[in-house]
Amino acid sequence: GNSVTQMEGPVTLSEEAFLTINCTYTATGYPSLFWYVQYPGEGLQLLLKATKADDKGSNKGFEATYRKETTSFHLEKGSVQVSDSAVYFCALSLLQTGANNLFFGTGTRLTVIP
Amino acid sequence: DSGVTQTPKHLITATGQRVTLRCSPRSGDLSVYWYQQSLDQGLQFLIQYYNGEERAKGNILERFSAQQFPDLHSELNLSSLELGDSALYFCASSVGDPGGKLFFGSGTQLSVL
Repeated sequence: GNSVTQMEGPVTLSEEAFLTINCTYTATGYPSLFWYVQYPGEGLQLLLKATKADDKGSNKGFEATYRKETTSFHLEKGSVQVSDSAVYFCALSLLQTGANNLFFGTGTRLTVIP
Repeated sequence: DSGVTQTPKHLITATGQRVTLRCSPRSGDLSVYWYQQSLDQGLQFLIQYYNGEERAKGNILERFSAQQFPDLHSELNLSSLELGDSALYFCASSVGDPGGKLFFGSGTQLSVL
């Protein structure tokens, strides 16, 4: 089946610390991979995506590389800010099914303290 | 603001009742998706509609149904409600192109008492 496994949170970091949130996937085809972020009281927003192996998605200082050999899409940021506090979801989409629905991981809550 | 509107924001009801959640997609988006977010199950895909037709089905219970109307707004109907149906229900929309970005509404918080 198709699924996404994320590292469990919560994660608490000090401002300017390095962030890694691990994500691995299982898919029957060739998925596109995404990171979505959910700020308190809001819906999910797309943070970055990668559509094929070795692609690197990046946005707002966050980046993730699509690694087919390890079926991973780990999220990293070199220096986190308090405003990065949110829940982060890794997701995959199988385009060849004709549908665009996303399979999400369970989410990882990040809290950044000053 | 994502441009996706969900109403109501909060809904409190009793077991056995039926409720309807409404979603208006972003202008121009043809696809609507429904997701359920609960503490124990995480974010689960329920169903997708594209231009009025059902496109994909996920973990949607038989007690739940959805439809997309000609003006592209969508409704999610939940019946014979149980305590375990308490969750945050998200609607998302997209143009519908493969790999396209989904835009999420801020959700409807359903509490079944």
